[in-house]
Amino acid sequence: EAGVAQSPRYKIIEKRQSVAFWCNPISGHATLYWYQQILGQGPKLLIQFQNNGVVDDSQLPKDRFSAERLKGVDSTLKIQPAKLEDSAVYLCASSLWTGEAFFGQGTRLTVV
Amino acid sequence: GQQVMQIPQYQHVQEGEDFTTYCNSSTTLSNIQWYKQRPGGHPVFLIQLVKSGEVKKQKRLTFQFGEAKKNSSLHITATQTTDVGTYFCAGLANAGGTSYGKLTFGQGTILTVHP
Repeated sequence: EAGVAQSPRYKIIEKRQSVAFWCNPISGHATLYWYQQILGQGPKLLIQFQNNGVVDDSQLPKDRFSAERLKGVDSTLKIQPAKLEDSAVYLCASSLWTGEAFFGQGTRLTVV
Repeated sequence: GQQVMQIPQYQHVQEGEDFTTYCNSSTTLSNIQWYKQRPGGHPVFLIQLVKSGEVKKQKRLTFQFGEAKKNSSLHITATQTTDVGTYFCAGLANAGGTSYGKLTFGQGTILTVHP
């Protein structure tokens, strides 16, 4: 079975610019997660979708971050405007209900 | 909000020594999951524990879920250089106001193994 697809793999932007990340989960997985992982830390949950509804976005900086999940399948995460502290790896994962989360390769964002 | 704490942050062992990492949640969990992340890679699922007091083994790895479903441990017997990486626990607990689970990761334990 195909895994979780993310793009781009790497992105370098200047502060105050905008950026978008795309995720295609495993077919049939209703749950989709976006995590932010800063070097040396554990993944921090930004937003969790169940189908196309938001389950939790309590740690999403809503003044600059937004996410949507179109038709309960693909998802995009946007940052506008970016700050230096947003430099991190953005991981997308999907799962069936409450089971194993399958992660994509991640997008490494560098804000300069 | 839910917090998942993991200790130790780092562990350096000689090959052949044992290794243990501990995980504690601020709230009761529906299940606990363990992941391994190699340097430069993404987290890869190892196992899921659901029942109170559950113990599962995978070759040299032993996973335990506490009676109160708030703590867990991962023990590796006779470490090998292939065990190098960061081990994360992730707790699934009900997201506030919904019946869905929210998956929260601990900070991870970085394991280095000296040959």
